[in-house]
Amino acid sequence: KQEVTQIPAALSVPEGENLVLNCSFTDSAIYNLQWFRQDPGKGLTSLLLIQSSQREQTSGRLNASLDKSSGRSTLYIAASQPGDSATYLCAVRPRDNYGQNFVFGPGTRLSVLP
Amino acid sequence: DAGITQSPRHKVTETGTPVTLRCHQTENHRYMYWYRQDPGHGLRLIHYSYGVKDTDKGEVSDGYSVSRSKTEDFLLTLESATSSQTSVYFCAIAQGGRDYGYTFGSGTRLTVV
Repeated sequence: KQEVTQIPAALSVPEGENLVLNCSFTDSAIYNLQWFRQDPGKGLTSLLLIQSSQREQTSGRLNASLDKSSGRSTLYIAASQPGDSATYLCAVRPRDNYGQNFVFGPGTRLSVLP
Repeated sequence: DAGITQSPRHKVTETGTPVTLRCHQTENHRYMYWYRQDPGHGLRLIHYSYGVKDTDKGEVSDGYSVSRSKTEDFLLTLESATSSQTSVYFCAIAQGGRDYGYTFGSGTRLTVV
């Protein structure tokens, strides 16, 4: 059974710092991996979707990498801002799941201090 | 948002009453999902649909039923609400195929008293 973990569970950094969030998954047989952002009391907003054949995806100050063989993905946030404060979740879509369901990690709660 | 709405946004109901939550999409996506999110448990799949009248159970389906009579609507029913079903419920849609990800609705906060 696919399991997804995220480290750290919470992170607090001063504004302007570059930071890395980590996501690990136990089974490398995946179709893709998706990073989401969730603000308190809100829904999930998709940030980046990486296909299993890709090594990374970039959107603005965000860069996500995927190392499928080692079961790891990182989300890099450059020049962090207070508006980046949110919970970040990663999710993988296993290859053997015909319902095409994603398996979610527990999230990393990020606080960027002004 | 990408054409997915949930209703109601908030609801308070009494134990033992039936409750129906609605997810509506305008994207004509094939797959629709219901998740619940709880502190300490993260997101857990309740039920999903892979087409009109085609549904299947997720990992926490007990006490819930679903229906999908049209592509655009996916209904989640709590047959007899219990306090353990107090949660935030999210609907998600996916186009289908290996290359596509999820799009989420804004959620329904349900309180069972």
